[in-house]
Amino acid sequence: DSGVTQTPKHLITATGQRVTLRCSPRSGDLSVYWYQQSLDQGLQFLIQYYNGEERAKGNILERFSAQQFPDLHSELNLSSLELGDSALYFCASSVDAGGLGTDTQYFGPGTRLTVL
Amino acid sequence: AQKITQTQPGMFVQEKEAVTLDCTYDTSDPSYGLFWYKQPSSGEMIFLIYQGSYDQQNATEGRYSLNFQKARKSANLVISASQLGDSAMYFCAMRDSQTGANNLFFGTGTRLTVIP
Repeated sequence: DSGVTQTPKHLITATGQRVTLRCSPRSGDLSVYWYQQSLDQGLQFLIQYYNGEERAKGNILERFSAQQFPDLHSELNLSSLELGDSALYFCASSVDAGGLGTDTQYFGPGTRLTVL
Repeated sequence: AQKITQTQPGMFVQEKEAVTLDCTYDTSDPSYGLFWYKQPSSGEMIFLIYQGSYDQQNATEGRYSLNFQKARKSANLVISASQLGDSAMYFCAMRDSQTGANNLFFGTGTRLTVIP
């Protein structure tokens, strides 16, 4: 158990809908990262938050947004869903923001999103 | 540009034998970090081992060790005394220095199967 929690574990929805994925980082970690794992794109970084502020952006679509709340949990919002958004979405957390030394990311169990 | 390459889509190893999973990388940064993660069929991403570019010694964590050859830009994972539970996907990852943040970008993975 990494200490990172994600809910829900599975999500099945229809095209055009909007969903929210939730993540709670490990105790003491200030950074939260979101990744998408799909068969065709592999594991891709979406976005990072550090202590409530957006820190870095990767290949995140405009239909997707995220935020980190004062209690450090984070939510990833996916809207106008398409079939191609079906994937495993991971949240990871780490202590630091800028990749110092051995700052390691610990991953949650993931949310499997299926868009029908 | 930074790049991670895992050239072995699949590997087989006999139980109790050692196995090496290959990873090569490309970066122009003098300071970088390399990670290995394990993804069992259940889907979670489990951190295994870290190697920093300035580390003098190869990293070891229990049965996992990293064969780090800086001049060749390779960071191969060695698993000794393989167990059935080692059957999983293994991903090599590098910290992305382009963004100045801490996000990882991943190779395509190697599926390891341990044969009894």
